[in-house]
Amino acid sequence: EAQVTQNPRYLITVTGKKLTVTCSQNMNHEYMSWYRQDPGLGLRQIYYSMNVEVTDKGDVPEGYKVSRKEKRNFPLILESPSPNQTSLYFCASSFTGVSSTDTQYFGPGTRLTVL
Amino acid sequence: AQSVTQLGSHVSVSEGALVLLRCNYSSSVPPYLFWYVQYPNQGLQLLLKYTSAATLVKGINGFEAEFKKSETSFHLTKPSAHMSDAAEYFCAVRTDTGRRALTFGSGTRLQVQP
Repeated sequence: EAQVTQNPRYLITVTGKKLTVTCSQNMNHEYMSWYRQDPGLGLRQIYYSMNVEVTDKGDVPEGYKVSRKEKRNFPLILESPSPNQTSLYFCASSFTGVSSTDTQYFGPGTRLTVL
Repeated sequence: AQSVTQLGSHVSVSEGALVLLRCNYSSSVPPYLFWYVQYPNQGLQLLLKYTSAATLVKGINGFEAEFKKSETSFHLTKPSAHMSDAAEYFCAVRTDTGRRALTFGSGTRLQVQP
């Protein structure tokens, strides 16, 4: 089944404790992206990747890191989480990043709480 | 820069009534427009998308949307609401410039009353 998977689905952590949220897709997509969803703000892009080893900042990159060493994986890293990073996170992928009409497929989300 | 405005954070309709969810966009270049639906505790699922091929776009689950350039709108409609349509709906815009990011509206939560 074609899908985007994220782990963990739920995470409660404390300020300053490094964490990684994994994202994997099995559709051989080139483009991958991370969003955060906050009430009343919709989804905002954190980072994106056009292909392996090509990543760039989105609208709200502060406090986050990403890497793209393999085509299928795009982990989101919070080196020192803070309470303002409490949010619902979505990973998404599409066939390419070049065509704006490509459908983006979303993972199920990761609900992160930073105490 | 591009942006999306969704009028009404909550919309309530009766089962069988018309559903109308409003979306207005701002873009300095030709836009591509999308509607996504999010059911409780799930990710986003594409309902339909406008890619300039036709102004009236039909999507899944009986939804459709019409692109109106003069009004910069892309409202989502469904003739008859079902209980299963209760969800949050997001309008999004993307263009062929810059980083080609999806820019989302703030979402509209649809309630369907029996």
